Amino acid sequence: NAGVTQTPKFQVLKTGQSMTLQCAQDMNHEYMSWYRQDPGMGLRLIHYSVGAGITDQGEVPNGYNVSRSTTEDFPLRLLSAAPSQTSVYFCASSQQSSRNQPQHFGDGTRLSIL
Amino acid sequence: EDQVTQSPEALRLQEGESSSLNCSYTVSGLRGLFWYRQDPGKGPEFLFTLYSAGEEKEKERLKATLTKKESFLHITAPKPEDSATYLCAVNYGGSQGNLIFGKGTKLSVKP
Repeated sequence: NAGVTQTPKFQVLKTGQSMTLQCAQDMNHEYMSWYRQDPGMGLRLIHYSVGAGITDQGEVPNGYNVSRSTTEDFPLRLLSAAPSQTSVYFCASSQQSSRNQPQHFGDGTRLSIL
Repeated sequence: EDQVTQSPEALRLQEGESSSLNCSYTVSGLRGLFWYRQDPGKGPEFLFTLYSAGEEKEKERLKATLTKKESFLHITAPKPEDSATYLCAVNYGGSQGNLIFGKGTKLSVKP
């Protein structure tokens, strides 16, 4: 069972470069989200989506773009990377229902911006 | 301001020494409190969901409880394989899926 798959696992970028972090889930979950995890801080929500074609901002959206063209995929784009975006990025998904359902996380992308 | 605070930041136990981890929260209209386990280099792994005060969930050596202001993760007779960082998260505003996380408690269990 694949669950939530993130690629790449590691990436090093130079300041100003752009890249896309990929996230795919095979559980037919409507809700998907991106978090970043920094030392000494809790995971912080970047962007989320409640279904194909619908996205919205989380707590720390600046510098990131997302789109949701299919239920399965939710890529995160860095248009012009900055050193402050050095972090570990996690994608998660869950079912939508009247009660909060647990989110299932991928194993992360470790991103360094030089 | 919605907040989630976990304590202690780190906890060292001997194998078999039971203890508890705390998660206190200030979120209006709690829609769910979640416990996760995170191993180094991995994503958070779901453990429990608690929805209302008084609710309890158990899984092997772990038991999670919830009051109106805090949750406890009780670890009974821990083993070295229970060593991990334990994360607490609560739903906040907006979409039902959006979570605010605590900083975690790093648990080390020595044989």
